[in-house]
Amino acid sequence: AQTVTQSQPEMSVQEAETVTLSCTYDTSESDYYLFWYKQPPSRQMILVIRQEAYKQQNATENRFSVNFQKAAKSFSLKISDSQLGDAAMYFCAYLGRGAQKLVFGQGTRLTINP
Amino acid sequence: DTAVSQTPKYLVTQMGNDKSIKCEQNLGHDTMYWYKQDSKKFLKIMFSYNNKELIINETVPNRFSPKSPDKAHLNLHINSLELGDSAVYFCASSPTRGAWFQDSPLHFGNGTRLTVT
Repeated sequence: AQTVTQSQPEMSVQEAETVTLSCTYDTSESDYYLFWYKQPPSRQMILVIRQEAYKQQNATENRFSVNFQKAAKSFSLKISDSQLGDAAMYFCAYLGRGAQKLVFGQGTRLTINP
Repeated sequence: DTAVSQTPKYLVTQMGNDKSIKCEQNLGHDTMYWYKQDSKKFLKIMFSYNNKELIINETVPNRFSPKSPDKAHLNLHINSLELGDSAVYFCASSPTRGAWFQDSPLHFGNGTRLTVT
């Protein structure tokens, strides 16, 4: 079974600085998708960024980018120019190509210091 | 115009009671899910329905019974509530597989915080 591990329960960063959240996963599949979701205090789950495993190019969405290392099974999220509104729980998630469900990591709580 | 709506938002009840959480989506999706988020924020799938048919049933006590009257609705009924059932329960829906990369694979409701006393 696939597993997703986020080894940083909590992270903090100064406003306007850059922070990287780590995620590793375990799978025997070669084709899959990876996602980062954000959960602010409102509890809403918001898709931040996605990556297809067959694409070597790292995905970017404005201030958010990923470092996808397929051989190492690593999928880290970099947030540049951190803003107070980025404070939230961040979840890494895995979806196998033939799978019916997302598998989530344990989450990382990100705090932004003004 | 809420896409996935679940009610109630908060539910406080005593041990032993039976309660239901309702979920509706207006996105036209065929697949709906229930996820449980525990006190440590871990999100785990419980059930999934595709067009009213149960397709995923994880290891969940049989006190939990999902019901899908139509593909736009997936309700969760919980019998004989226990303290350990306290959590946030999320309903979600997903578009057809072909759209998973143009769209989010999961659209979540805002969660129902269940507190069992």
